[in-house]
Amino acid sequence: AQSVSQHNHHVILSEAASLELGCNYSYGGTVNLFWYVQYPGQHLQLLLKYFSGDPLVKGIKGFEAEFIKSKFSFNLRKPSVQWSDTAEYFCAVNAGGNKLVFGAGTILRVKS
Amino acid sequence: GAVVSQHPSWVICKSGTSVKIECRSLDFQATTMFWYRQFPKQSLMLMATSNEGSKATYEQGVEKDKFLINHASLTLSTLTVTSAHPEDSSFYICSASPSLAGEQYFGPGTRLTVT
Repeated sequence: AQSVSQHNHHVILSEAASLELGCNYSYGGTVNLFWYVQYPGQHLQLLLKYFSGDPLVKGIKGFEAEFIKSKFSFNLRKPSVQWSDTAEYFCAVNAGGNKLVFGAGTILRVKS
Repeated sequence: GAVVSQHPSWVICKSGTSVKIECRSLDFQATTMFWYRQFPKQSLMLMATSNEGSKATYEQGVEKDKFLINHASLTLSTLTVTSAHPEDSSFYICSASPSLAGEQYFGPGTRLTVT
């Protein structure tokens, strides 16, 4: 069965610090990869997605993620975080059948 | 675009009663809709997948007779929690997908409290 692992459950950063959230998945075939964000009190929103092509994908609000097939990874990055980036971030994988498998989530707190 | 709504946003019911939750895709047609359950401080747990006009596919361990799913149209799916018990209290979230690529758009969730 597919699984998704997010390395850090809690991350605390100061404003302007760089962010990298790790995500690894276990599946040997073709995958579609996603990062979702859940701001406090709001519902899940799609941050970015990778289906094929350029492994470096850019999403909303200055986020990007890099798909490294050999490492089964899809890490999320942002060069300079803002207080408004405080949220929970979920990595998800679709390995066929339209179903998403979610990681456990990473809670990011940005100190102003 | 890609907005999904849920109704109600929260509901309190007595043990033994049934509760219906609606999920609508407002600006796109959803080939597939999904129902999740989210426990406090945990990730989403997929309960079932439903395609318009066909029976839902339930995940292992999810009671299909307790969690009735109807996907009557390409923009509406309903989840009915039958004979609810306190242990069914949770946050139920639906999502809708306009394609087979796995991209899903999520509703705001419904907080169910069974007393």
